[in-house]
Amino acid sequence: GESVGLHLPTLSVQEGDNSIINCAYSNSASDYFIWYKQESGKGPQFIIDIRSNMDKRQGQRVTVLLNKTVKHLSLQIAATQPGDSAVYFCAEGRFGNEKLTFGTGTRLTIIP
Amino acid sequence: GAVVSQHPSRVICKSGTSVKIECRSLDFQATTMFWYRQFPKQSLMLMATSNEGSKATYEQGVEKDKFLINHASLTLSTLTVTSAHPEDSSFYICSARDTGRTVDSPLHFGNGTRLTVT
Repeated sequence: GESVGLHLPTLSVQEGDNSIINCAYSNSASDYFIWYKQESGKGPQFIIDIRSNMDKRQGQRVTVLLNKTVKHLSLQIAATQPGDSAVYFCAEGRFGNEKLTFGTGTRLTIIP
Repeated sequence: GAVVSQHPSRVICKSGTSVKIECRSLDFQATTMFWYRQFPKQSLMLMATSNEGSKATYEQGVEKDKFLINHASLTLSTLTVTSAHPEDSSFYICSARDTGRTVDSPLHFGNGTRLTVT
């Protein structure tokens, strides 16, 4: 079946360093991808998204890269801060279908 | 920014009772809302799509008679867990997209409801 998954379930990064969170997806028909951040006991918070016709998009301290050839998505967080500690989910969607499919999540821990 | 409010944030109930969870879009209208369930250390699993003024659409394996969804207005959807059992204990999260925006605009999530059935 179609799925969106992550390579690394946990990631620890020294404060100030850059982090990269990866995601593999299997549905080549996906039209857009979204990264969400979820802190403990809270709902997911939108970080950044990218359409399938793009291969890179930058936000504030975050960059999303999309490699459709290998069906791979990554989230780069620059100059990590303690507040970046959370679980990060990738999700994929299709135009005309409002549902999102979520990946398994990666727990990012920033070491002070 | 768009805000989705979910209530209650935590609820403990006895086995066999029913629990209602509310999801409100505070500053936008949503013809469609989504209900997810999340078990500890797992991802979000879509349970159902709530459609304003019509029946909800349930994902495969989700019992519609157990998880009653009502979407009576453009800003409110409710999920009622009927005859709750301990295995229904989970984190329930709703989400909504601003109807006035494009189809790929991000979903906004509530802060979830932690349900514990004893």
